Amino acid sequence: QKEVEQNSGPLSVPEGAIASLNCTYSDRGSQSFFWYRQYSGKSPELIMSIYSNGDKEDGRFTAQLNKASQYVSLLIRDSQPSDSATYLCAVNPYTNAGKSTFGDGTTLTVKP
Amino acid sequence: EAGVAQSPRYKIIEKRQSVAFWCNPISGHATLYWYQQILGQGPKLLIQFQNNGVVDDSQLPKDRFSAERLKGVDSTLKIQPAKLEDSAVYLCASSLRAGGPETQYFGPGTRLLVL
Repeated sequence: QKEVEQNSGPLSVPEGAIASLNCTYSDRGSQSFFWYRQYSGKSPELIMSIYSNGDKEDGRFTAQLNKASQYVSLLIRDSQPSDSATYLCAVNPYTNAGKSTFGDGTTLTVKP
Repeated sequence: EAGVAQSPRYKIIEKRQSVAFWCNPISGHATLYWYQQILGQGPKLLIQFQNNGVVDDSQLPKDRFSAERLKGVDSTLKIQPAKLEDSAVYLCASSLRAGGPETQYFGPGTRLLVL
């Protein structure tokens, strides 16, 4: 079992729809959770971080964390073609809060 | 504020050759990371420095990979000898403080192809 699991996709949604990306993790002691966006041929860029159970909203993005179920999700509202990218989930353990373990990413395509 | 700098951007070598990558983190950032990202996979941490000390190198193939961060600033990652499976993008990232869940800022990466 991988430490951080994501559906590889591709996930395709029409422009203006809500895109829902999911991530599960195995280390119950994980403390910090991040969503990165990676355009093809580019490096990852942080878009959301979340540390406590519940929802965190930033513009069109909402991160949801459920530590009991060991999953974290990212919702993108009013999806735009420019949101088409691979979304990486990263999880940091309690023992080394600076160390990120990444999932393999979900590829999202937003169709005009 | 200048971002994380890496060089070279691309490198093609033959197997069994050696190669070195350079990273200059954002000024003042205490923590520096080297990741390996194979096509279709997420980044995998190779080594994490805090200032000029190693915090985590548990996934660094130490028989062929080495890294150093002299004076707690720039860092180099070396592969000697390279294998075909080392073909990947090598990403350097840095974060401001040591030990916390800080935002990591990634450099553009070095794309390595081993023939």
